[in-house]
Amino acid sequence: QKEVEQNSGPLSVPEGAIASLNCTYSDRGSQSFFWYRQYSGKSPELIMFIYSNGDKEDGRFTAQLNKASQYVSLLIRDSQPSDSATYLCAVYSGAGSYQLTFGKGTKLSVIP
Amino acid sequence: ETGVTQTPRHLVMGMTNKKSLKCEQHLGHNAMYWYKQSAKKPLELMFVYSLEERVENNSVPSRFSPECPNSSHLFLHLHTLQPEDSALYLCASSQEGSSGGVGETQYFGPGTRLLVL
Repeated sequence: QKEVEQNSGPLSVPEGAIASLNCTYSDRGSQSFFWYRQYSGKSPELIMFIYSNGDKEDGRFTAQLNKASQYVSLLIRDSQPSDSATYLCAVYSGAGSYQLTFGKGTKLSVIP
Repeated sequence: ETGVTQTPRHLVMGMTNKKSLKCEQHLGHNAMYWYKQSAKKPLELMFVYSLEERVENNSVPSRFSPECPNSSHLFLHLHTLQPEDSALYLCASSQEGSSGGVGETQYFGPGTRLLVL
C-alpha cells in the first residue's frame, strides 16, 4: 500500500523565519510530487510540483526532492502569518495510475 | 466561471434523504475526481472518471453513486447516508497525458461541506 507520511504538527515559526515541511513516501517508483496548501474550511490549493531530484524555487517557496531517500520537502522563506495553513504532500505514481496519494498534512502556524 | 466549481457549498441532510452534489470544471480537462476529506484523515479518493468513463472506484459504499454525463460535469448522488459520511466532499480535475512529467496535477473545487443528521 502506497503511503505518504507527514508530521502533523503543529509547526510554529516566528514571522520572517524559514518554515521547513517534510514528507516521505513509500512507493519508490513515484514520479511527481505536489505540495498543496489548505486553509481551514477551504479546499487544497496547488503551490508547487517537482519531479526531478534537487531543488525547485518559486518565489518564497522551494521544493526539494531526493528520490533515493524517498523524501520531499517544502521550504517557505520569510514566513508570513498568511502562510498559516495545513500543507498537504501528494505523490503521483505514474502512467496508468490516476491516484494522487495524499499525506495527512502538516499544520503550520506563523507567529507575528 | 473559472476553475472548478461545486454546488451546493453546504448541505444538511437526514439519513433517509436523497441529494446530489454537482461539480463543473472550466479548465478543458479530461479527468475528474471525487474525494472525501474527514477530520484528521488524509484525503480519500472515491471515484475517478477519465474521458467520461469511471476508471477507479475505491471501495466506496453503494449509497454514493457518481455520474459523469460529459467531461465538464460530475455528480455525486447520495442516498440513505450515515452520520459518519459527514465530511468535506471535494471535486478535482486534471488533464490526462500532461507532458513534462507533471502528470496528474489536480485542481480542486471549493468543496461541499456535508452534514448527515
